Amino acid sequence: QVTLKESGPVLVKPTETLTLTCTVSGFSLSNARMGVSWIRQPPGKALEWLAHIFSNDEKSYSTSLKSRLTISKDTSKSQVVLTMTNMDPVDTATYYCARMRVGAAAGNNWFDPWGQGTLVTVSS
Amino acid sequence: SYELTQPPSVSVSPGQTARITCSGDALPKQYAYWYQQKPGQAPVLVIYKDSERPSGIPERFSGSSSGTTVTLTISGVQAEDEADYYCQSADSSGTHEVFGGGTKLTVL
Repeated sequence: QVTLKESGPVLVKPTETLTLTCTVSGFSLSNARMGVSWIRQPPGKALEWLAHIFSNDEKSYSTSLKSRLTISKDTSKSQVVLTMTNMDPVDTATYYCARMRVGAAAGNNWFDPWGQGTLVTVSS
Repeated sequence: SYELTQPPSVSVSPGQTARITCSGDALPKQYAYWYQQKPGQAPVLVIYKDSERPSGIPERFSGSSSGTTVTLTISGVQAEDEADYYCQSADSSGTHEVFGGGTKLTVL
């Protein structure tokens, strides 16, 4: 059974750096047909893709947030870490990690399953 | 940046057919995927590669593609299908993933 679980702070202050960890089980981060993505959802709003990392350590970031994001993985620990710098109240959201199934062609990727999500509030 | 456009809401009566559209310029080149999200829950994949249905998803869920528009069809809608539905795809380069704005399906 594939599961993902997000962990990290529930409250961060403006300008601080957020560090979130996704711990996976049921699949290996070295599997060439799989990766891990981070996706967020502000309260009452739509999903927003943030970043993903492939088994070969190739990474991709949201164009609008690229300067603030870093994604990395520790295959031995089955963990993927996302850091977001200079947090602002507009970054308040539920942050999800999801297993990414890698398609045969570039861009043909999808997310299944998802973690339960973790709500991060940015407030002083 | 690339965008996928969905109607904000769709309403149907139980037993009827619901159709939710998603439009984007790169959809002729990239597959689309659909997710169902119920309140307080994580999204669940219901359609992948435009029209494939994952195991465990009821047959009443189907997907189709035509040009720059993809459609999620739910036949014989049930009360339990009331949820937000999101389409997802990639930009033309295939390097960035994108979600649509979501469609709230209301079962009257």
